[in-house]
Amino acid sequence: AQKITQTQPGMFVQEKEAVTLDCTYDTSDQSYGLFWYKQPSSGEMIFLIYQGSYDEQNATEGRYSLNFQKARKSANLVISASQLGDSAMYFCAMRAGSSNTGKLIFGQGTTLQVKP
Amino acid sequence: EAQVTQNPRYLITVTGKKLTVTCSQNMNHEYMSWYRQDPGLGLRQIYYSMNVEVTDKGDVPEGYKVSRKEKRNFPLILESPSPNQTSLYFCASSLQPSTEAFFGQGTRLTVV
Repeated sequence: AQKITQTQPGMFVQEKEAVTLDCTYDTSDQSYGLFWYKQPSSGEMIFLIYQGSYDEQNATEGRYSLNFQKARKSANLVISASQLGDSAMYFCAMRAGSSNTGKLIFGQGTTLQVKP
Repeated sequence: EAQVTQNPRYLITVTGKKLTVTCSQNMNHEYMSWYRQDPGLGLRQIYYSMNVEVTDKGDVPEGYKVSRKEKRNFPLILESPSPNQTSLYFCASSLQPSTEAFFGQGTRLTVV
């Protein structure tokens, strides 16, 4: 079975500091994609970053980077220089390469609060 | 601007009254999905579509219908809504099954 686990229901970080949000995954597929989405209090889902299972380099997008450790099946999101606008819920998600449904499997999310 | 548009954003309805939530994308994406988000359960796929006239069930399809008569539109139909369908609903589209999904703004549905 394919599964995403986010073990941190809530996190606090001081403004301008870095924070790591944990994500572990389980799949028997060799080809898969890992995604992070941000959901602010307004409710929309915003795509942040993507890592393919065959990508050798860790993905980066501005202040976001994905710490991909394939052997440990982890795909942690690192947010550098946190800003107040980063306060939101963050979801880790996976898409199995063998699937043609386009289905994303989501974790339960981590709520991040940035303190001024 | 590339986007996925859902309507309405908020809806309160009564048990048994048929409703449709519309979804439209302007990116010429082939793959479209509907998800529902419930506290503690994350997002779960309801239905998906790989192209016009090609739809199939996701993980939680009971009580829902969809159609895909045009590439850009993928409406979600609740023929007889029940209170357990109270949820936050998202439509999403992607170019390929493996690429990132773009989400609509969400529809908060309450069934009383």
